[in-house]
Order: sequence, then structure tokens, then C-alpha cells
Amino acid sequence: NAGVTQTPKFQVLKTGQSMTLQCAQDMNHNSMYWYRQDPGMGLRLIYYSASEGTTDKGEVPNGYNVSRLNKREFSLRLESAAPSQTSVYFCASSGTGASEQYFGPGTRLTVT
Amino acid sequence: GENVEQHPSTLSVQEGDSAVIKCTYSDSASNYFPWYKQELGKRPQLIIDIRSNVGEKKDQRIAVTLNKTAKHFSLHITETQPEDSAVYFCAAVYVSGGYNKLIFGAGTRLAVHP
Repeated sequence: NAGVTQTPKFQVLKTGQSMTLQCAQDMNHNSMYWYRQDPGMGLRLIYYSASEGTTDKGEVPNGYNVSRLNKREFSLRLESAAPSQTSVYFCASSGTGASEQYFGPGTRLTVT
Repeated sequence: GENVEQHPSTLSVQEGDSAVIKCTYSDSASNYFPWYKQELGKRPQLIIDIRSNVGEKKDQRIAVTLNKTAKHFSLHITETQPEDSAVYFCAAVYVSGGYNKLIFGAGTRLAVHP
């Protein structure tokens, strides 16, 4: 039982490049989330998926797109990376209703 | 709008002292309040949570209290140890379009000095 996994762990992009961050969970959770955490800051919700087939914007969705590929996988795409998107990205998952969110190990992204 | 305020932003204590972190939330419909601990370079991990039908919950040296009327909840750590040094985040659930999502506070950086 791996919990929540993310790839890659580290990535450096040039401004304007695109990339997709991958997330998968093996806990049969319905809900999945993408957060960003800037240095010394809290977690800000980018997008979430309450169940397979649905996605919704969070607090800071601009510049990102998501895909809930199936119940296990939830990807985050940066179409044209900007330096302001330099951050650590965490994926999380949770069961139905108000319950604990389990976080992945994070992806450290630098955009130059 | 959806908001969770957390205080203080930094907290420094001597080993063995107690530490208290406070949070307030804006949505009176919130019914789940978790606390996460994040060590440097690691992922956030749940340390304790409380639901709206109880006022206090304790787990060894950690306790959480909830005042639904005042819309605030607090984390209490007793007999602090150096390994308690980390960033602590509170959160409250918000109902959005029929689904629940967590909104996090900005975090408290706790330093426990030997």
C-alpha cells in the first residue's frame, strides 16, 4: 500500500515550457486535490476532484489544468510555465465526506 | 468567503513548556477540523482532528479544543520536545457545491529549544 505517489520529485522548467505532474493513490479514495506551497507559506488549493469524472477550481486555478483520468489518478498540467509557478506541489486524496486528507511526497518545481 | 486564520505565525518555547496554536474559521457549517504537522522538506501529516459534535479531544501530549459558538479551535502541546519542532497547519472543512473541501490556515512555525 503506497498511499499517494507523485512524479516527478523535482523539475526545472524554462518559462513557456509545459509539463504534467502525475498523482496516483491506491486507497480507493473518491476525492483528490492539488495544492501548491510557496516558501514559508501555507497550502493553497489549486483544483480538486470530488469524485471520478468531476473537477472544480480551488483558490488559485489560473495557469493550471487538471484531469481526473480514473479513480486512482489525478494529473496537473502547466501549459506555459511562469516563474510565479515556482513552488512545491502536493497532491492529496480523501474518502467521502469530511475526512483526513493523505498527502503525496510533493514535487519541487522551479521555473527560470 | 472561505477563510481560516491561524495565530501565531511563529512560536518559540523551551523544552518541557506547553505550546498553544489558535485558529478561527468563517463558515458556521464547518464540521471537521484537522491539524497537520509538516517537518522540513516533508509532506503534511495528520496529528489530530476533531468533529463538531465534541468539544475536546486528547491524544497523549496533544489536545484540540473546539468552540463552535465562537468559531475557533486550538491545538495544545504539553511537555514539548525538540522533535515537536515543525510547521503546524489547522484546517476547516467547507461545503462547496455539495462536496467537502479543506481550507488551511497559513501555518505556525514551532521551535522547541533544548
